[in-house]
Amino acid sequence: AQSVTQPDIHITVSEGASLELRCNYSYGATPYLFWYVQSPGQGLQLLLKYFSGDTLVQGIKGFEAEFKRSQSSFNLRKPSVHWSDAAEYFCAVGGLGNNDMRFGAGTRLTVKP
Amino acid sequence: GAVVSQHPSWVICKSGTSVKIECRSLDFQATTMFWYRQFPKQSLMLMATSNEGSKATYEQGVEKDKFLINHASLTLSTLTVTSAHPEDSSFYICSARSGNYGYTFGSGTRLTVV
Repeated sequence: AQSVTQPDIHITVSEGASLELRCNYSYGATPYLFWYVQSPGQGLQLLLKYFSGDTLVQGIKGFEAEFKRSQSSFNLRKPSVHWSDAAEYFCAVGGLGNNDMRFGAGTRLTVKP
Repeated sequence: GAVVSQHPSWVICKSGTSVKIECRSLDFQATTMFWYRQFPKQSLMLMATSNEGSKATYEQGVEKDKFLINHASLTLSTLTVTSAHPEDSSFYICSARSGNYGYTFGSGTRLTVV
């Protein structure tokens, strides 16, 4: 069965600093991988997704993620964090056909001025 | 792009009553829809998967008689929380799956049972 692990529950970075949020997955076949962001009381916004091809994926808001099959990882990065990036970030894995999407526990990002 | 409309965005109901949440795919046909529940400061937990015209598949621990799911058409799925209790208060999010667009999420419904 597919599963997702986000090792960091809470991360604090200074505005302008770089960011990396970790995500490890377990899936028996080629996974579809996603990163979502959720502001308090809001729904999910898709940042980026990986289906196949280039393992470095560019997303919205300056985010990128790199799929590393050998490490079963799909870490999210941003070179310079803005205060508006403070939110909850979820990594998710899905599959082909009608397979459902499973979410990690989430990482809460706090941005210091 | 694909859009999923979820309604209502928030609802308050009295304990013991039932609440229906709708999830519509506006510009595509959703072969499969998923319902998630999210408690405060927690992740999204899959409740059930529904395919159009067939019975929903519930995750372990989710009461199918309490959370009724109907997927009567390729554009509409509903979740009815029957005999709601305060512990059912949560954020419910639907997701629609289609071959072209992958997964598209609704904006969520915040249910408060008083």
